[in-house]
Amino acid sequence: EAQVTQNPRYLITVTGKKLTVTCSQNMNHEYMSWYRQDPGLGLRQIYYSMNVEVTDKGDVPEGYKVSRKEKRNFPLILESPSPNQTSLYFCASSLQGAGANVLTFGAGSRLTVL
Amino acid sequence: AQKVTQAQTEISVVEKEDVTLDCVYETRDTTYYLFWYKQPPSGELVFLIRRNSFDEQNEISGRYSWNFQKSTSSFNFTITASQVVDSAVYFCALIKTSGSARQLTFGSGTQLTVLP
Repeated sequence: EAQVTQNPRYLITVTGKKLTVTCSQNMNHEYMSWYRQDPGLGLRQIYYSMNVEVTDKGDVPEGYKVSRKEKRNFPLILESPSPNQTSLYFCASSLQGAGANVLTFGAGSRLTVL
Repeated sequence: AQKVTQAQTEISVVEKEDVTLDCVYETRDTTYYLFWYKQPPSGELVFLIRRNSFDEQNEISGRYSWNFQKSTSSFNFTITASQVVDSAVYFCALIKTSGSARQLTFGSGTQLTVLP
């Protein structure tokens, strides 16, 4: 089944403890991206990647890192999480980043930073 | 910078009523795509429609229709004869397709509640 898989789905952590949210897609998509969803703010793009080894900042990249060493994986790294990073995170991918292609979203990862 | 505004935070209608969700966007680019996504209570994001900036034809899909007007930078979504299953958060989004950047900008969403 074609899908975007995120892990973990739920995570509670403490301030400053590094964590990684993994994202993997099995559709050979070139474009991958991360979003955070907060009440009243909709989804905001954190980082995106047009292809392997090509990443770029979205609207809210502060406090996050990403890497794209393989086409299928696009992990989101929080080096030193803070409470303001408590949010619902979505990973998404599409065939290409040209805009013509529809995003396939993962199921979401709910992160709480205490 | 590009921006998408969904001024209606919450809308409540009674089943079988028609409802229109507004989306207004800002961009300096002449080539871009607009999208609508649905997020039901279960939380997943479901694609509804895509429209490119050169195609201003309105589209109808069953009870759903979309009105794209470049003159007013709007891409409104109408549900005809709403049903309880239409209750969800609806997001409008914009991605430009010129240059190298591919930032996708979402609106803040409209929570639609359809009452039986």
